[in-house]
Amino acid sequence: KAGVTQTPRYLIKTRGQQVTLSCSPISGHRSVSWYQQTPGQGLQFLFEYFSETQRNKGNFPGRFSGRQFSNSRSEMNVSTLELGDSALYLCASSLVVGASGNTIYFGEGSWLTVV
Amino acid sequence: DQQVKQNSPSLSVQEGRISILNCDYTNSMFDYFLWYKKYPAEGPTFLISISSIKDKNEDGRFTVFLNKSAKHLSLHIVPSQPGDSAVYFCAASGTGANSKLTFGKGITLSVRP
Repeated sequence: KAGVTQTPRYLIKTRGQQVTLSCSPISGHRSVSWYQQTPGQGLQFLFEYFSETQRNKGNFPGRFSGRQFSNSRSEMNVSTLELGDSALYLCASSLVVGASGNTIYFGEGSWLTVV
Repeated sequence: DQQVKQNSPSLSVQEGRISILNCDYTNSMFDYFLWYKKYPAEGPTFLISISSIKDKNEDGRFTVFLNKSAKHLSLHIVPSQPGDSAVYFCAASGTGANSKLTFGKGITLSVRP
């Protein structure tokens, strides 16, 4: 079955702009989590959605937001981009909320560069 | 405040030798610990895990040790192979408000042929 699909894979934005990233989970998975990976901070949890509702949220400013659609696809949005937002954004899908281990599957990520 | 710490950013070992990757945590509510492996341009993949009720879990060449009193875990890879060269993330989770995965910064392992 198809894995977790993230689009776009690479993008460059200018400071002050906004960006929307998309994630299609594995078929049948209803939970989608988002992570930010940077060299200095490693993998940091952004938020988790299940059945179109945000279930968990990390410690990121309000510029970072997300949503989930009825088909479980998810989008995350970053407004008023800053240079420090340059990172790899990873999406992970699972059947249930709070899954871990070999029941959570990551996509290949979206590389965002802010200039 | 990093609740999961991987203090060494990189490790280089000779093929065939043992690789030991260390991880420390501060949140005593964590009760499940995991290691993920990540190649460039790919998402992390699950490697091995351990519950807080155990102190060792083994899967082939990979063994994870947990020392709860020291809040420390380590991943041993024996023997190391060039294909093991990747970034390894330590992660932890608990229940309720701590159910989300908390990752460390990762360590880059290089296995020299």
